[in-house]
Amino acid sequence: NAGVTQTPKFQVLKTGQSMTLQCAQDMNHNSMYWYRQDPGMGLRLIYYSASEGTTDKGEVPNGYNVSRLNKREFSLRLESAAPSQTSVYFCAIRTDGYTFGSGTRLTVV
Amino acid sequence: QQPVQSPQAVILREGEDAVINCSSSKALYSVHWYRQKHGEAPVFLMILLKGGEQKGHDKISASFNEKKQQSSLYLTASQLSYSGTYFCGTPDSYSGSARQLTFGSGTQLTVLP
Repeated sequence: NAGVTQTPKFQVLKTGQSMTLQCAQDMNHNSMYWYRQDPGMGLRLIYYSASEGTTDKGEVPNGYNVSRLNKREFSLRLESAAPSQTSVYFCAIRTDGYTFGSGTRLTVV
Repeated sequence: QQPVQSPQAVILREGEDAVINCSSSKALYSVHWYRQKHGEAPVFLMILLKGGEQKGHDKISASFNEKKQQSSLYLTASQLSYSGTYFCGTPDSYSGSARQLTFGSGTQLTVLP
């Protein structure tokens, strides 16, 4: 996962709490993505950013917000966490294929 | 729309071959293949850009039939290290700079000694 760094790696939240997942890349690529992965459902796109200053909704954006702070950083925010948001979250950049970060394992209780 | 992968799971003995299929109800412009080991992030294997294109990496290869809107991943003489979940991914549209992918639900491959 060289080049894409996600923090934190693990997090437990109580229902209603907020948090921000951080993603940073050092590969100078324009496009960045946030996916969530749930058992048996593959990877589903939450939000993406084609370039600095632009963001767009993916397949499952409800309950999330994003910020493309600069070319390097793309953050995902949960304003009021719900148990349905328990998942593994991956940030990715587009190189030849996608390069994924190591993931954030989030549990909402 | 999510591409459909088959089979959902396959168990092999070391040295056996396997085929994983990925099909779509809409036109395909390219197909990505990824492998994910348990507890890790998906890792890019290869991308096929043209109809009829075939690629190979070690003993893993893939084909892309644009007309049939499908791609197949071939694992030859499977090794223990091939175990994992394989995903195909297809772009939502041909144009556009972001080229976001929609992934299939995965095929779990287990290689036994």
